[in-house]
Amino acid sequence: DIQMTQSPSSLSASVGDRVTITCQASQDISDYLNWYQQKPGKAPKLLIYDASDLETGVPSRFSGSGSGTDFTFTISSLQPEDLATYYCQQYDNLPLTFGGGTKVEIK
Amino acid sequence: EVQLVESGGGLVKPGGSLRLSCAASGFTFSSYSMNWVRQAPGKGLEWVSSISSSSSYIYYADSVKGRFTISRDNAKISLYLQMNSLRAEDTAVYYCARDRDVAVVPVALGHWGQGTLVTVSS
Repeated sequence: DIQMTQSPSSLSASVGDRVTITCQASQDISDYLNWYQQKPGKAPKLLIYDASDLETGVPSRFSGSGSGTDFTFTISSLQPEDLATYYCQQYDNLPLTFGGGTKVEIK
Repeated sequence: EVQLVESGGGLVKPGGSLRLSCAASGFTFSSYSMNWVRQAPGKGLEWVSSISSSSSYIYYADSVKGRFTISRDNAKISLYLQMNSLRAEDTAVYYCARDRDVAVVPVALGHWGQGTLVTVSS
């Protein structure tokens, strides 16, 4: 199975800050990577697919980059409604595997 | 609007069985692969199983293989997960999820239900 390692596991930032989360795959997955947002008590929501494509309706402050084994997810200007846990997920091979999550808190 | 509504969760004893259902609406159900993903309390996401649009391709996580069976009824626009020989570690919220695009294997989970809680405890 492909292991996905996310860091940090949690972070606290102020409104307006730039937030960056990294995700590392245990082997080359090309750009077969997605990012999800899960707000407390809610189902996950797809934000970014194919490493860098923004899902329809998702604000442009969210972005993704990377290929191979190293990926980055960025919130360019953190908003109060971005309080959530963020997960990366690879689809290069089954089983689909997710990173451990990054909990984003607002200072 | 895509809607996925899970049902069938509850409390079950170790070794018991449970059948989850997911009622779909707002899209052509028979065209899309469907998935189950679970989340143990306070933990991350774990993909459980996928089924292709015509049920020709079925995949399972090793953790549930031989115990869980995924199925679908395109006429009833519904997805199912039969869970047997349940263990304490199967305790989780189970989500039904649809792929973003038409594909044989799961890629990006673009639509999710609200989840149903399964608790395995004596």
